[in-house]
Amino acid sequence: EVQLVQSGAEVKKPGESLKISCKGSGYSFPNYWIGWVRQMPGKGLEWMGIIYPGDSDTRYSPSFQGQVTISADKSISTAYLQWSSLKASDTAMYYCARHIGYSGYEAFDYWGQGTLVTVSS
Amino acid sequence: EIVLTQSPGTLSLSPGERATLSCRASQSVSSSYLAWYQQKPGQAPRLLIYGASSRATGIPDRFSGSGSGTDFTLTISRLEPEDFAVYYCQQYGGSPLWTFGQGTKVEIK
Repeated sequence: EVQLVQSGAEVKKPGESLKISCKGSGYSFPNYWIGWVRQMPGKGLEWMGIIYPGDSDTRYSPSFQGQVTISADKSISTAYLQWSSLKASDTAMYYCARHIGYSGYEAFDYWGQGTLVTVSS
Repeated sequence: EIVLTQSPGTLSLSPGERATLSCRASQSVSSSYLAWYQQKPGQAPRLLIYGASSRATGIPDRFSGSGSGTDFTLTISRLEPEDFAVYYCQQYGGSPLWTFGQGTKVEIK
């Protein structure tokens, strides 16, 4: 069974750093792209970026380029999303999601349960 | 950026009724690159449809997708109680690579 399990909720202060994780199981983790999606409170979905764990090829949305860093460690089947200096506006639910992997199709077929990040002084 | 506009914003229907959700793109999108998701409160999104019309694994056949170019539709033939949720369309292409529509909420009338 394919599963993506994300790390737990975080409460941080502005200016602090943070790294959240997404561990895949039940499939060949290096061979599927993993994307990150933000959902601010009461709002819709925003694609942030995506990584191919096999070679760490990474693409970012222009809105998030330079604001976050996406990485992966294929040896432990885990992808990461990190911030060096959090802002209150980073308060949101963050989801990881596996790219469908079917040649020629673009969608995310399995999703993590989400990590709630709260940034408040 | 390819902008996806979903309509209506909210759809009020009764169980057993048919739901028709629209997703319009600001420029042409390949059908292979159009997907639909369902999100219930407190849950992660779930893939319903990929390639504009292919149902994802385990999705009931009351869900169907259609469309091409700039106009896409998600149809729920007969609403079940568990179908009341928010639905998002998503496309791939351009910059950013993926964009989502703003969502359509299907609520119980």
